[in-house]
Amino acid sequence: DAMVIQNPRYQVTQFGKPVTLSCSQTLNHNVMYWYQQKSSQAPKLLFHYYDKDFNNEADTPDNFQSRRPNTSFCFLDIRSPGLGDAAMYLCATSTGGRPNEQFFGPGTRLTVL
Amino acid sequence: AQSVTQLDSQVPVFEEAPVELRCNYSSSVSVYLFWYVQYPNQGLQLLLKYLSGSTLVKGINGFEAEFNKSQTSFHLRKPSVHISDTAEYFCAVGRNSGNTPLVFGKGTRLSVIA
Repeated sequence: DAMVIQNPRYQVTQFGKPVTLSCSQTLNHNVMYWYQQKSSQAPKLLFHYYDKDFNNEADTPDNFQSRRPNTSFCFLDIRSPGLGDAAMYLCATSTGGRPNEQFFGPGTRLTVL
Repeated sequence: AQSVTQLDSQVPVFEEAPVELRCNYSSSVSVYLFWYVQYPNQGLQLLLKYLSGSTLVKGINGFEAEFNKSQTSFHLRKPSVHISDTAEYFCAVGRNSGNTPLVFGKGTRLSVIA
């Protein structure tokens, strides 16, 4: 089945220790998104790639970066995680055409100790 | 710019009772509308979508929603809920021109009580 895969599902890191979350897709979609979701809140868009074009949301902290080495993979790097960065991180994809329905992965739950 | 308002943050309902989760949107352009469901510790799953045509849209798990352009609403309904419907529900709007990310509402927590 075509899908969006996120690894790992659960990640524990230490305060200030860099961490990378990964997302891959078999849908061959042009657009990939990263969202941060804190408890009982809506997903908050951090950034998205349209092909190789990177789009950063204005309020995304500099501590968060992303890489998309090819169509299938996208990475979220948190350079120096703080306690406030503990959250669920969701990856999503869309075709880039209309409608812009988004397909989500299962998420990675990040814990910062 | 578009925006989405989900009027209820929490909705408790007894099992087998009907439920309506409300969603209103604002946009200066024509839109697509979506409802997603999120179970604990999982990603978002598409329940249904309105693209064009019939204003009554049927989705998975017995849910349906009605697009009302004059009231700028897209309320989600189910005639009889099950315990397994307990989850967070998100309404989202997308422009039908250009390519911009969906705008999500803040979510409604549906709790089904046995």
